[in-house]
Amino acid sequence: EAGVTQFPSHSVIEKGQTVTLRCDPISGHDNLYWYRRVMGKEIKFLLHFVKESKQDESGMPNNRFLAERTGGTYSTLKVQPAELEDSGVYFCASSPLGGGHNEQFFGPGTRLTVL
Amino acid sequence: AQSVTQLGSHVSVSEGALVLLRCNYSSSVPPYLFWYVQYPNQGLQLLLKYTSAATLVKGINGFEAEFKKSETSFHLTKPSAHMSDAAEYFCAVRTNTGNQFYFGTGTSLTVIP
Repeated sequence: EAGVTQFPSHSVIEKGQTVTLRCDPISGHDNLYWYRRVMGKEIKFLLHFVKESKQDESGMPNNRFLAERTGGTYSTLKVQPAELEDSGVYFCASSPLGGGHNEQFFGPGTRLTVL
Repeated sequence: AQSVTQLGSHVSVSEGALVLLRCNYSSSVPPYLFWYVQYPNQGLQLLLKYTSAATLVKGINGFEAEFKKSETSFHLTKPSAHMSDAAEYFCAVRTNTGNQFYFGTGTSLTVIP
């Protein structure tokens, strides 16, 4: 069974440019999460989809970030325009519907560098 | 909001020595607790989880953790470190009232031959 995949693995862009990150969850997982880790800090929650609906987007830093999950399958996270402080590793995770004891399955992350 | 504290961003142990990685959490309700490991260029992999059953939880690769409610701790241990244990370890908390995980800042483990 394939795990959570993310594309690209690395992205280097200049301030002001746009970047789109993609996440493919494990097949059948209705929950999809985005997290971000800024260097040296903790991994922080950005938002949570249940199928195609945004369940919780309380962690989104500002309106330069837009997440979508059309059709309830893969998800994209767009940053437009990118700022220096957006640099970090963006993780995607998925899990099946169910109780809080369920682990979240994480992808390898996308390392974003904004110059 | 929840918080998770991992004491020691870097820990070094000799091969064969005890591994102890500390995790303390703040939670007003019984939480679900997790330890994840990240090897270089890989995603986070679940080591073990506490879900209100036995307080001593055994995970993969010989790791275990003990939930101590009175100390709000969930420290990770392994009796004998192996070179392959070198990685970054993350403690995470999830309450039964939300879906998001709250992570600590991570502990990078170095194993010295």
